[in-house]
Amino acid sequence: DIVMAQSPDSLAVSLGERATINCKSSQSILYNSNNKNYLAWYQQKPGQPPKLLIYWASTRESGVPDRFSGSGSGTDFTLTISSLQAEDVAVYYCQQYYTTPFLTFGGGTKLEI
Amino acid sequence: QVELQESGPGLVKPSETLSLTCTVSGYSISDDRYWGWVRLPPGKGLEWIGNIYHSGSTYYNTSLKSRVSISVDTSKNQFSLKLKSVTAADTAVYYCATPLYCSPTSCSGFWGQGILVTVSS
Repeated sequence: DIVMAQSPDSLAVSLGERATINCKSSQSILYNSNNKNYLAWYQQKPGQPPKLLIYWASTRESGVPDRFSGSGSGTDFTLTISSLQAEDVAVYYCQQYYTTPFLTFGGGTKLEI
Repeated sequence: QVELQESGPGLVKPSETLSLTCTVSGYSISDDRYWGWVRLPPGKGLEWIGNIYHSGSTYYNTSLKSRVSISVDTSKNQFSLKLKSVTAADTAVYYCATPLYCSPTSCSGFWGQGILVTVSS
């Protein structure tokens, strides 16, 4: 099984400042045939299902503000929120889908102001 | 518009079997996509439970494999979860959800709103 390790567990950032969340997979999730990393980022707010923010490690889902960006390749990935807004307070999860239909989530990062 | 809706008891007694159903609308469950379950225990992170294909092939989290069963009813456009021998540790919000399905240009996935299941006597 691929293990996804997220850090930090929680993070406090001031409004307008940058937030950075890290995710490391226990093995490469780069699919060589198409050069895509099978890594997604989700945002979850209380009482709501997770919302897809980014897939293929760096492609923003339609409608997601451009202050959200994803980077990384192979085993190391980062979600960056360039200028934190109040509505970004949430828990963020990375997920590997390289081994679909077997999936794995990171442990989550609670982002606060 | 694709919608997934969970249904089932919100309270289950310890040692009994948790049973939930997900009804899919706006999409045929027989199309080329997996269907599955994810849970969120209180104060913890998301945990993938398992997936099923419309053919009936199943794929489970190794940590739950001995207790979980997912089935599909294509005639009703539904799929179901059974988790046996539950304990308080199985208390969680249970989501029906699809893994990301990717074309050459994009990926998409769907989630239900979730249902809280509490294990308590």
